[in-house]
Amino acid sequence: GQNIDQPTEMTATEGAIVQINCTYQTSGFNGLFWYQQHAGEAPTFLSYNVLDGLEEKGRFSSFLSRSKGYSYLLLKELQMKDSASYLCAVRWGGYNKLIFGAGTRLAVHP
Amino acid sequence: DADVTQTPRNRITKTGKRIMLECSQTKGHDRMYWYRQDPGLGLRLIYYSFDVKDINKGEISDGYSVSRQAQAKFSLSLESAIPNQTALYFCATSDRDREDRTDTQYFGPGTRLTVL
Repeated sequence: GQNIDQPTEMTATEGAIVQINCTYQTSGFNGLFWYQQHAGEAPTFLSYNVLDGLEEKGRFSSFLSRSKGYSYLLLKELQMKDSASYLCAVRWGGYNKLIFGAGTRLAVHP
Repeated sequence: DADVTQTPRNRITKTGKRIMLECSQTKGHDRMYWYRQDPGLGLRLIYYSFDVKDINKGEISDGYSVSRQAQAKFSLSLESAIPNQTALYFCATSDRDREDRTDTQYFGPGTRLTVL
């Protein structure tokens, strides 16, 4: 079956670094996405990994290990506005279909 | 103006009513998708369309139907709404495969539907 696991909630301090993990078991793999979603709003694209390794984009980095079925999103220099849910999604099959994890709700406090 | 719009943004209806949710996009994308989001669950795919003549069921299509009226418009209908269809519904679009193969999905603002 298809399964994506992420922690349900995390808390962190403003200015710190936080790592959000995602493990997946899917029938086929064709890329992994991270999205940010503020409460009641649309998910917005953060990063994409299809090959093993680290992708860096400003304060956000995402890592992928396909052999381990594992990814993480690293957020540096946390700001209060980073309080949101972070969704891990795996693309599988031939049609750009995504399966989403339930999301990790991150609370950043002063 | 927003690239992906959804109407209505909020809707309250009664069991048994037929409801239509509409999605329009100005991104020029060929591919469009409908998802629902429930608390504690990931986004789940209802239907997707890769062009006007291509409609495909997702993982939870029962009780729903769609219409792709034009490249820019993709509507979701609930034939006879029931309370467990209460959820946040999102439309998304993506470009056909490009050189970088990302084909990222971009989401509309969502429609909050309540079925009483």
